[in-house]
Amino acid sequence: GQQVMQIPQYQHVQEGEDFTTYCNSSTTLSNIQWYKQRPGGHPVFLIQLVKSGEVKKQKRLTFQFGEAKKNSSLHITATQTTDVGTYFCASNAGGTSYGKLTFGQGTILTVHP
Amino acid sequence: NAGVTQTPKFRVLKTGQSMTLLCAQDMNHEYMYWYRQDPGMGLRLIHYSVGEGTTAKGEVPDGYNVSRLKKQNFLLGLESAAPSQTSVYFCASSYDWGTKNIQYFGAGTRLSVL
Repeated sequence: GQQVMQIPQYQHVQEGEDFTTYCNSSTTLSNIQWYKQRPGGHPVFLIQLVKSGEVKKQKRLTFQFGEAKKNSSLHITATQTTDVGTYFCASNAGGTSYGKLTFGQGTILTVHP
Repeated sequence: NAGVTQTPKFRVLKTGQSMTLLCAQDMNHEYMYWYRQDPGMGLRLIHYSVGEGTTAKGEVPDGYNVSRLKKQNFLLGLESAAPSQTSVYFCASSYDWGTKNIQYFGAGTRLSVL
């Protein structure tokens, strides 16, 4: 089945540094969703990208979808302690299973004050 | 404005015991999902439902059963718990099956099987 590989698994940064997590697939993706999970919490939807080359911004967060729709990235500028958590990418399966999401393994972000 | 509610929040079982996890959503969503989350493995789909009275297997269905007798409720059952089922279980729901399939998650159930 469809797989999305997410790297890195862990990232430790000093507050104020930038952070990027990457999501890669060997097959063309119909879309990419990004979720954030705070420590001890549950995943919360951040954004969805659908179009080739699409870039969306939410304050200090920039989301990109690759031209070939096989990869995506989430970049955080000038991290803050509130950015701590696990960031997941996810993509819809194709065909009749479209509504099923396949999640990446997640990137655990730690921000040192 | 409860959203998706999971009960219980924590549970400890002995090997071989059974239990049922309850998920309730008040958003009138058609689609519901059960995931398990293990360190380094992301969220893996156990079972899902595309409507009242329907269920289907996900990626890791073995050892679990589900039922969706009412649109707002999705139950996950463990008939004979095993230590390998120690995990955090999340329920989610969505209102769309297509490109607007944004999933709303419950707070999770932390299950330990001894």
